[in-house]
Amino acid sequence: NAGVTQTPKFQVLKTGQSMTLQCAQDMNHEYMSWYRQDPGMGLRLIHYSVGAGITDQGEVPNGYNVSRSTTEDFPLRLLSAAPSQTSVYFCASSYTAGGGNEQFFGPGTRLTVL
Amino acid sequence: AQSVTQLDSHVSVSEGTPVLLRCNYSSSYSPSLFWYVQHPNKGLQLLLKYTSAATLVKGINGFEAEFKKSETSFHLTKPSAHMSDAAEYFCVVRTNTGFQKLVFGTGTRLLVSP
Repeated sequence: NAGVTQTPKFQVLKTGQSMTLQCAQDMNHEYMSWYRQDPGMGLRLIHYSVGAGITDQGEVPNGYNVSRSTTEDFPLRLLSAAPSQTSVYFCASSYTAGGGNEQFFGPGTRLTVL
Repeated sequence: AQSVTQLDSHVSVSEGTPVLLRCNYSSSYSPSLFWYVQHPNKGLQLLLKYTSAATLVKGINGFEAEFKKSETSFHLTKPSAHMSDAAEYFCVVRTNTGFQKLVFGTGTRLLVSP
């Protein structure tokens, strides 16, 4: 089991560029989510999905798009990168959304927007 | 709405002394509460979770936390700190409405000196 994998590990973009952060899990988890981590702010939820074809917005969705065409993959798209999107991005998955189900986190993608 | 407050942004201890990381929560319902640990440049790992069973929860690496409803607290403790415990710790509550989501505290950085 690879668990939750994220690519790339590091990325530098110029303002206005677009890119896709990849996330995949091999645990057959229904629930997947994207967070961003900024100093002193903990992790904030960007988007989440409760199954293939179903996505919804989290706390800070502006500037990001997601889709979930398969159970395994949950890519995060930055449409037009801005310096405010400089952050560390974590993808997570769990068997379901509720109860005490543990969310498993990927290793993160460190994004810098110049 | 559910929320958590981590009362200390930094905690410094000496190796071999007790650790106390404080967390208060706000929830209209019986909450699910978690502690996650993040070592430098790594993803997040679940330390322990409370889901309305025993109020004293034991986790990995000798950590434990006690759920106190009357005080709305879920403090993390360890009897004796080890150098490898130096990391950032997040208290997390799962929302109980709609699609259940994790809400993170702002984190406590634990520093362990020899």
